[in-house]
Amino acid sequence: GESVGLHLPTLSVQEGDNSIINCAYSNSASDYFIWYKQESGKGPQFIIDIRSNMDKRQGQRVTVLLNKTVKHLSLQIAATQPGDSAVYFCAALDSARQLTFGSGTQLTVLP
Amino acid sequence: EPEVTQTPSHQVTQMGQEVILRCVPISNHLYFYWYRQILGQKVEFLVSFYNNEISEKSEIFDDQFSVERPDGSNFTLKIRSTKLEDSAMYFCASSDLRTMNTEAFFGQGTRLTVV
Repeated sequence: GESVGLHLPTLSVQEGDNSIINCAYSNSASDYFIWYKQESGKGPQFIIDIRSNMDKRQGQRVTVLLNKTVKHLSLQIAATQPGDSAVYFCAALDSARQLTFGSGTQLTVLP
Repeated sequence: EPEVTQTPSHQVTQMGQEVILRCVPISNHLYFYWYRQILGQKVEFLVSFYNNEISEKSEIFDDQFSVERPDGSNFTLKIRSTKLEDSAMYFCASSDLRTMNTEAFFGQGTRLTVV
C-alpha cells in the first residue's frame, strides 16, 4: 500500500543475504517500469528497467520481476552489500515519458 | 561519466520571493525534467520539456512555476512567489529517449528552504 509522510516501508537484511523489494502499481498503460536507488542527500539513480511486455529482466546482482496480472513489481538484490543501503523507488514510465514514482522502501543492510 | 549538475545545492529564501534553480543537463540529451521531493516523501513529477517547450506538467506545476532553456546548456526552474510548502528537494533530470533508453539521469538536487 501507499505510505504517507515520514513512514517509509523498511527492510533490513543481513549482509550477504538476498533482498526483495516490492512495489504495486495502478496504471496498466505504463510502457516501462524502472527501479531507482536514492542514497542520502543524492538524486535517484537508475538501477534497472523492464518493458511492460516482459516478465523478468536481470542485471548485475539485480533482477526485476513484473506480474501484470496483479500489477506487482519486485526488485531482487543478490548478496546484498552495505553499499546497497538506500531508499529504493519503483517508477512507471508512461507514453508521455513521465515518471511516476512510488513511495519508496528504505533498505538497511546489517553487518 | 556525464552527469546532470544543479546549482545551488541549497537555497534559502523568504516567503514571497522569487527563486531560480539551475540545471545543466547532459549535453546530448533531448528531454529535461524537474521533480520535487518533500522531506521523507516520494519523488513527484513537476514538468517535462522537449524541443524547447513544455510537453507535460503536473497539478503541482501551477502558474507560480515556469521553466526555461535560455541557452544550449542550461535548464532553469523559476518559482515566482515562494510559499512555505515549496520547501523541498528539487531534482533536475535529463534523458535521451530517441533509442527508447529509459534511463533518466538525475542531478544531486537543490534543497530549497522557504522561511
